[in-house]
Amino acid sequence: DAGVIQSPRHEVTEMGQEVTLRCKPISGHNSLFWYRQTMMRGLELLIYFNNNVPIDDSGMPEDRFSAKMPNASFSTLKIQPSEPRDSAVYFCASSLRQSSYNSPLHFGNGTRLTVT
Amino acid sequence: KQEVTQIPAALSVPEGENLVLNCSFTDSAIYNLQWFRQDPGKGLTSLLLIQSSQREQTSGRLNASLDKSSGRSTLYIAASQPGDSATYLCAVRNPDFGNEKLTFGTGTRLTIIP
Repeated sequence: DAGVIQSPRHEVTEMGQEVTLRCKPISGHNSLFWYRQTMMRGLELLIYFNNNVPIDDSGMPEDRFSAKMPNASFSTLKIQPSEPRDSAVYFCASSLRQSSYNSPLHFGNGTRLTVT
Repeated sequence: KQEVTQIPAALSVPEGENLVLNCSFTDSAIYNLQWFRQDPGKGLTSLLLIQSSQREQTSGRLNASLDKSSGRSTLYIAASQPGDSATYLCAVRNPDFGNEKLTFGTGTRLTIIP
């Protein structure tokens, strides 16, 4: 199993530009999560999907952020327009949602975003 | 609102020593608690998951305990090795909306001195 795959690994862009982050979850997993990690705030949940449906997007900071999951094997997180304060490492994670809710979470290696 | 705290933020110990990392949480109504390891520039790797009905879980040199009533968990690492150097995070899952949310601590950065 290749694990959760994220691309790109690094993204440097100028303020105002659109940024798209990509994620391929582990095959067979039905829950997908987008997290953001910064030194100041630690790990923050932005949004999560279950069976491709967004369940909770209360962590999405602003309307500039949007996420989609068109199928079970692909998700995107888009920032438009980007701002310097969006600079962070963005992680995608997936799990197999079970009735016991005791399935571990598997993370990708993240995308380090720098907005200048 | 659940809050998860990990103290200390950083810890250095000589190779070969046993050590304990601490995690505390404010809301004891949890489904489970998970310990992760994060290496620099990498994502998080799940180490152990303790269900709310369990007291501890073991994997190799790692042992995690859970005292739900007092809102505490510990991660015990036996016979530490330089390869154990990493940041260790704990996370709790509450019966929240959709039951999928994890609340993370800010982590303990562990350095094993050869």
